[in-house]
Amino acid sequence: AQKVTQAQTEISVVEKEDVTLDCVYETRDTTYYLFWYKQPPSGELVFLIRRNSFDEQNEISGRYSWNFQKSTSSFNFTITASQVVDSAVYFCALSGDTGANSKLTFGKGITLSVRP
Amino acid sequence: GAGVSQTPSNKVTEKGKYVELRCDPISGHTALYWYRQSLGQGPEFLIYFQGTGAADDSGLPNDRFFAVRPEGSVSTLKIQRTERGDSAVYLCASSLWDAGGPDTGELFFGEGSRLTVL
Repeated sequence: AQKVTQAQTEISVVEKEDVTLDCVYETRDTTYYLFWYKQPPSGELVFLIRRNSFDEQNEISGRYSWNFQKSTSSFNFTITASQVVDSAVYFCALSGDTGANSKLTFGKGITLSVRP
Repeated sequence: GAGVSQTPSNKVTEKGKYVELRCDPISGHTALYWYRQSLGQGPEFLIYFQGTGAADDSGLPNDRFFAVRPEGSVSTLKIQRTERGDSAVYLCASSLWDAGGPDTGELFFGEGSRLTVL
């Protein structure tokens, strides 16, 4: 069985602070894919990133960066210099070895509030 | 429109009634997914279509739930004899999946249909 744990439920920061959202996963598959999605108040989930299990390189995209560590089964997401527009619910998700297009298992999400 | 469109955006029904929720994916997207999101939870997988056929329906909770995609484009999620526990936001997503082409793994989600069963 696959499982995604996002232990933080709500985080509140002041604008320009850095914030890290934690994600821990469990899977028995040797090939798997990890994702982060953002859900703003409008409701639609917005894709942020996908990593496959063979690529442990960290990734940076603007103010966003991701730290994938297989040794600790973690895929953490850091927002640098947070902005009010970053306020949303963030979901970490996992898909198994039937491919990246197979079903996603989501965590419960982390509600991030960025105050001006 | 350019994105995934779901109708209705809100549906209130009474226990025991039949409900249909519609999803219009992005044009050309062959893969279509239904997820259900309860309050304070992450989305839960229901079913995945590749073209007209259901490639994986393991997430459908019971036989009251059924989904179709007869022409490989629009999909309808059908719920019979609704129960209060069916109240949730039903999310549809689509993706461009071509076995021979690049795959970003990106799903494009609609804004969801909020179902309330009284």
